[in-house]
Amino acid sequence: QSVLTQPPSASGTPGQRVTISCSGSSSNIGRHYVYWYQQLPGTAPKLLIYRDSLRPSGVPDRFSASKSGTSASLAISGLRSEDEADYYCATWDDRLSGWVFGGGTKLTVL
Amino acid sequence: EVHLVESGGGLVQPGGSLRLSCAASGFTFSSYTMNWVRQAPGKGLEWISYIGSSGGPIYYADSVKGRFTISRDSAKNSVFLQMKSLRAEDTALYYCARQYSYDSNGLDVWGKGTTVTVSS
Repeated sequence: QSVLTQPPSASGTPGQRVTISCSGSSSNIGRHYVYWYQQLPGTAPKLLIYRDSLRPSGVPDRFSASKSGTSASLAISGLRSEDEADYYCATWDDRLSGWVFGGGTKLTVL
Repeated sequence: EVHLVESGGGLVQPGGSLRLSCAASGFTFSSYTMNWVRQAPGKGLEWISYIGSSGGPIYYADSVKGRFTISRDSAKNSVFLQMKSLRAEDTALYYCARQYSYDSNGLDVWGKGTTVTVSS
């Protein structure tokens, strides 16, 4: 069972907006930045969002994220077929002294 | 261009040992903390170890503590993961990932991974 809780699946049709939630606790999300990763099938994870809501260069502004208290969320607007991937939230956990990941959300574009 | 290339994976019997390597290029290795993250077949990401830019601090996930040892060699721009007493549940794709030591940019670059299979 993952320290961070994500829904196992999400779906949407092209052009729609979908959100993925990530729930943690005071020892992790409540104290540290949240990061989001996109993992396309058969590839390594790619940093999508850092410091709660910032996008690395090259990441489309269709991807946005926010954090409040001990929860965070990732939003993808204007959904495209190439967004079909697994999405993971991550942060540092003070109690565990390590990085913790959500269980991952498989996004399906219908 | 920034690259992380893992190697050393393979098939090993339960109870055996393996040493993974991760070669870094294209960036100032000494400015980065390095991490190992694994992914069991069909499963999610699991962080397993962290080593600071100067060789410390070092942290491990409970699942590998006492069995795995992380180290780094600045002369070789490499990080290593010595794994012993391997179990079937250690079967996974092992990634190394860098983390800038002086800012909160997360695990921003990952290698493609090396596969470890623990089976008799």
